[in-house]
Amino acid sequence: GAGVSQTPSNKVTEKGKYVELRCDPISGHTALYWYRQSLGQGPEFLIYFQGTGAADDSGLPNDRFFAVRPEGSVSTLKIQRTERGDSAVYLCASSLTGQGNEKLFFGSGTQLSVL
Amino acid sequence: AQKITQTQPGMFVQEKEAVTLDCTYDTSDPSYGLFWYKQPSSGEMIFLIYQGSYDQQNATEGRYSLNFQKARKSANLVISASQLGDSAMYFCAMREGVNSGYALNFGKGTSLLVTP
Repeated sequence: GAGVSQTPSNKVTEKGKYVELRCDPISGHTALYWYRQSLGQGPEFLIYFQGTGAADDSGLPNDRFFAVRPEGSVSTLKIQRTERGDSAVYLCASSLTGQGNEKLFFGSGTQLSVL
Repeated sequence: AQKITQTQPGMFVQEKEAVTLDCTYDTSDPSYGLFWYKQPSSGEMIFLIYQGSYDQQNATEGRYSLNFQKARKSANLVISASQLGDSAMYFCAMREGVNSGYALNFGKGTSLLVTP
């Protein structure tokens, strides 16, 4: 499809395990964002990519969280040693150039559940 | 400090009536943009409307309009002629620095229920 695609849609894992969440942005969009949304809250910024580089990773909560975008398109969010508090919906968004007045297009998210 | 404040956790409106969802923001940057997104129960965030800090006119997009009061730092969303399909969470968001691709900061949202 033409929208932002996130896989898997649901991920259940055990505490302490490693998980990878994938985001396929809209073709041609250079800006890519990861957000985390806990129940009853607004999305919380994690990291922003401009092309292949992380332009702003100030929202990553700790060093268990890492994200890559090696070819400037698909991005993977990696979480090591998962904790129950990591349970949330992880949203990916993209925009054409990253200009401040551009709207972000969001994917449907990955629901992560850490047992 | 919270940059976006949405003080209404939940709102009810009758079908065909208008409703205003409140949003106040906090920034010292003269250049910023304000966004409203809708999140239905399916979970996807849907862009509704954008207002730039230097825009002279209030933004409008179909049944959505933004009541932008810069001095009061408020950017309320007005939905006219509400429809049952408008029932959803509504998030106000701000990006500081128009020429930078930095993060959108979201508020906690307002849950809107449209009743027949």
